[in-house]
Amino acid sequence: NAGVTQTPKFQVLKTGQSMTLQCAQDMNHNSMYWYRQDPGMGLRLIYYSASEGTTDKGEVPNGYNVSRLNKREFSLRLESAAPSQTSVYFCASSDAFPGYTFGSGTRLTVV
Amino acid sequence: GNSVTQMEGPVTLSEEAFLTINCTYTATGYPSLFWYVQYPGEGLQLLLKATKADDKGSNKGFEATYRKETTSFHLEKGSVQVSDSAVYFCALTLISSGSARQLTFGSGTQLTVLP
Repeated sequence: NAGVTQTPKFQVLKTGQSMTLQCAQDMNHNSMYWYRQDPGMGLRLIYYSASEGTTDKGEVPNGYNVSRLNKREFSLRLESAAPSQTSVYFCASSDAFPGYTFGSGTRLTVV
Repeated sequence: GNSVTQMEGPVTLSEEAFLTINCTYTATGYPSLFWYVQYPGEGLQLLLKATKADDKGSNKGFEATYRKETTSFHLEKGSVQVSDSAVYFCALTLISSGSARQLTFGSGTQLTVLP
């Protein structure tokens, strides 16, 4: 089925550990996004990539890095995880308006 | 900056009750407005949209009208079902550079419908 695939679905990290969240889309969309969802705060944009080869900071980029590996894949890296990064992370892609398609999310807990 | 304010939840209704979830926005320019729905354990799905003033978006019995004069986009449904239980997010977007269209979300409203 066409869509956005995120891996892993669940992850528990210790403070200071690193990890990469993977995201891939098969809809040939140009733009991809990473959001985090926290209770009572909706979704906040971490980073986005308007097209292959470009990335830009969103509202809450601190503590994260991203890589647009190719048109399909957009990864999010936590270099040194902190408890404040406990959240649900969503990847999304878009092309022609309104075109947003979300993945099913990664639930990350940092202890 | 741009922002979206939703009525606080949670909202609990009986089946077949009337639903209203309020949403107001602040934006520089003329945004497009959306309602997204998130079912338990899933990602967000587009429910409906409106791109200009007085447009009415509708889908699955839900409706919302883009009111520029009151900067609002309230979600309504005449008769809710248990299967409508979910979290509902109001969101807006403005045309940005390139093809990327960043969404600004409200905080979400949890709806529970009891049989």
